[in-house]
Amino acid sequence: DAMVIQNPRYQVTQFGKPVTLSCSQTLNHNVMYWYQQKSSQAPKLLFHYYDKDFNNEADTPDNFQSRRPNTSFCFLDIRSPGLGDAAMYLCATSSQQGSAKNIQYFGAGTRLSVL
Amino acid sequence: GNSVTQMEGPVTLSEEAFLTINCTYTATGYPSLFWYVQYPGEGLQLLLKATKADDKGSNKGFEATYRKETTSFHLEKGSVQVSDSAVYFCALSDRGYSTLTFGKGTMLLVSP
Repeated sequence: DAMVIQNPRYQVTQFGKPVTLSCSQTLNHNVMYWYQQKSSQAPKLLFHYYDKDFNNEADTPDNFQSRRPNTSFCFLDIRSPGLGDAAMYLCATSSQQGSAKNIQYFGAGTRLSVL
Repeated sequence: GNSVTQMEGPVTLSEEAFLTINCTYTATGYPSLFWYVQYPGEGLQLLLKATKADDKGSNKGFEATYRKETTSFHLEKGSVQVSDSAVYFCALSDRGYSTLTFGKGTMLLVSP
């Protein structure tokens, strides 16, 4: 089945140690999103790619970066994780075409712990 | 700016009870409205959607009607099951390519 896959499902890192989370999709969608979701809260959009164009939300800290080397893959880099960055990170995709136009499809998420 | 307000949870019901989770929104223009469901430890899944006033979205026994006059999109199900226990998020999108604004989520707990 076509899907959005996030790896790893669980990631443990140390305070200040860079970490990269990965997302891949087989849907061939042109838009990819990264959300941060803290416990019992709504997902918060960090940034998204429209094709190759990167769009950062105004309140996303500089500590968070992203790369999209091709249509299928998108990475979230946290340069110096702090304790407050412990959260679930969700990747999503959407397309501007077809019957599922503008519907976001989510991966299962990566739960990040910072020690 | 856009906002979505959901009733606070948890909502605790017995199996086969009727469910309503209230959702109201504030937005410019004519947003699309969504309900997403998140099962424990998983990502979000689209449950249903409506793209214009008076549309009714439905899926798996859940329904919600886009009410522009009351700016609401309440989620209903006639008979809940234990397997419906999850967190439900109401969301809207009013940009061309669907940047979502989420409500805070409502946890539903269904007991046998």
